Amino acid sequence: GAVVSQHPSWVICKSGTSVKIECRSLDFQATTMFWYRQFPKQSLMLMATSNEGSKATYEQGVEKDKFLINHASLTLSTLTVTSAHPEDSSFYICSGTSGGGFRGTDTQYFGPGTRLTVL
Amino acid sequence: QKEVEQDPGPLSVPEGAIVSLNCTYSNSAFQYFMWYRQYSRKGPELLMYTYSSGNKEDGRFTAQVDKSSKYISLFIRDSQPSDSATYLCAMRNFNKFYFGSGTKLNVKP
Repeated sequence: GAVVSQHPSWVICKSGTSVKIECRSLDFQATTMFWYRQFPKQSLMLMATSNEGSKATYEQGVEKDKFLINHASLTLSTLTVTSAHPEDSSFYICSGTSGGGFRGTDTQYFGPGTRLTVL
Repeated sequence: QKEVEQDPGPLSVPEGAIVSLNCTYSNSAFQYFMWYRQYSRKGPELLMYTYSSGNKEDGRFTAQVDKSSKYISLFIRDSQPSDSATYLCAMRNFNKFYFGSGTKLNVKP
């Protein structure tokens, strides 16, 4: 149980275009979702936290106008990288927790990640 | 000082060895403790979750929490090449999570 999917798993785009990444909780309701980016051989870097129906809370140094996060339902959050540039190339990972019970509030369940390459 | 400290390794062991992975933390308010395994180019996978001090065992994995010393460990018995991955510790205080930087483990056949 507690499965999170991400789509696409891999995307290549041209500089200046926008890319949308979807994160879905398949078997639980994710009241809170997190978005991370990870550079090669480095640990997770939290970008933002989003609660269903509310605006996302961004970590310091993360441009909220560049990384648009929408958490419109309890099973879906999206991250849109606007006007992507080569320096945005990275591995983006989402995770979710739910609002109740052992599985939900105590742990994060991660998606498989999306590899973004901006040419 | 970071909230969570974890030796990045790499840690290289022969197949069948007992592996010990550790994290220390500074905030005594942390309530929940987790270990994740991350294979290259994949999302982290939850391995173990603990709440209180003591040991929790699941197959070849044992998670240990010592709140008095602010120290957590993950032991892997009879390590296998398939255990080669990066292991992340994580801790939670209310709705905020803190991750270690990860220890890269290589189990040689």
